[in-house]
Amino acid sequence: GEDVEQSLFLSVREGDSSVINCTYTDSSSTYLYWYKQEPGAGLQLLTYIFSNMDMKQDQRLTVLLNKKDKHLSLRIADTQTGDSAIYFCAVTDSWGKLQFGAGTQVVVTP
Amino acid sequence: NAGVTQTPKFQVLKTGQSMTLQCAQDMNHNSMYWYRQDPGMGLRLIYYSASEGTTDKGEVPNGYNVSRLNKREFSLRLESAAPSQTSVYFCASRPGQLYGYTFGSGTRLTVV
Repeated sequence: GEDVEQSLFLSVREGDSSVINCTYTDSSSTYLYWYKQEPGAGLQLLTYIFSNMDMKQDQRLTVLLNKKDKHLSLRIADTQTGDSAIYFCAVTDSWGKLQFGAGTQVVVTP
Repeated sequence: NAGVTQTPKFQVLKTGQSMTLQCAQDMNHNSMYWYRQDPGMGLRLIYYSASEGTTDKGEVPNGYNVSRLNKREFSLRLESAAPSQTSVYFCASRPGQLYGYTFGSGTRLTVV
């Protein structure tokens, strides 16, 4: 089955850029997503990218996709304390269901 | 719109007790899902319903049952709770295969 891997922790200073990385195994993944989970809350869809795209930008968020290496990244520009959360990478499997990574805990320090 | 509503938000059960977690969505979505979230393990799919009238097992179905009561509601039942089922449970829905999921706010379940 699909395997989605992320680093578990990232510390970043307020105002710097954050880059969260994700690798996956299923080359047929069509849609790739980034979700944000704040403490005690559910997962909120941040952004997504189609597999035929290399990059997508949405305000402070930039998603980069390298299909050859099966590597997805999320860059957050000008990181703020409100960006502290767990970020999940998710990709569609062969049956169209989402497979999630374990999540990356992002801590923003002043 | 309320989106995806889960009840209860918190629950403590004794080993062997049963309970049903409720989930309802008001977005006319076809597909609904139950996940559990455990530290360091991300989200694991328990059961899903691709459309009204169908249910299928996910990655970790043992110890659980589901009912797709109608298009809006998808419930998860623990017949005999075990401490290993202590987790945060999330319900999610989506219109169809090409869309991302909308999640509920979760049910925190502790089995003692």
